[in-house]
Amino acid sequence: DSGVTQTPKHLITATGQRVTLRCSPRSGDLSVYWYQQSLDQGLQFLIHYYNGEERAKGNILERFSAQQFPDLHSELNLSSLELGDSALYFCASSFGQGGSPYEQYFGPGTRLTVT
Amino acid sequence: GQNIDQPTEMTATEGAIVQINCTYQTSGFNGLFWYQQHAGEAPTFLSYNVLDGLEEKGRFSSFLSRSKGYSYLLLKELQMKDSASYLCAVSLTGGGNKLTFGTGTQLKVEL
Repeated sequence: DSGVTQTPKHLITATGQRVTLRCSPRSGDLSVYWYQQSLDQGLQFLIHYYNGEERAKGNILERFSAQQFPDLHSELNLSSLELGDSALYFCASSFGQGGSPYEQYFGPGTRLTVT
Repeated sequence: GQNIDQPTEMTATEGAIVQINCTYQTSGFNGLFWYQQHAGEAPTFLSYNVLDGLEEKGRFSSFLSRSKGYSYLLLKELQMKDSASYLCAVSLTGGGNKLTFGTGTQLKVEL
């Protein structure tokens, strides 16, 4: 158990819908990262927040957005869902934000299925 | 851009030693990480290297050569539970500690 929690574990929804994935980092960690893992793309970085502020963006679609709240939990919002958005979505946390590379600890993931 | 290469699959025997290689071409290298991932589960942190050399952690060791853009993960005394995907990931300077992952090496440990 990494100490990172994610809810829900599974999500099944229809195309065109909107969903929210939630992540709570390990106690004491200030950084939260979101990754998408699909069979054909591997693990892809989406976005990084540090202490409530966005720090880096990867190949995140405009239909996707995220935020980190004052209590440091984070939410990833996916809208206008398409079949291709079906994937495992992982949240990871670390203490720092950069400079020295801090190891990231991954949550159990949310499996999103779009039908 | 960044390019990270790992073998797609490897097979080894229980009790043996296996070396999984990773080569990378990136700008602004900050560190290299190894993760283990069982199917459908979260990646689990194994080790990281910032400087050249070998880092040992129990049955797992990781080596880095920054000048060659090369790393390997060494697994000793293989166990059946080591069957998993091993992901090499690079952290870049100025990238806010985001990780860029290779596609992973699927290791199968056989009797």
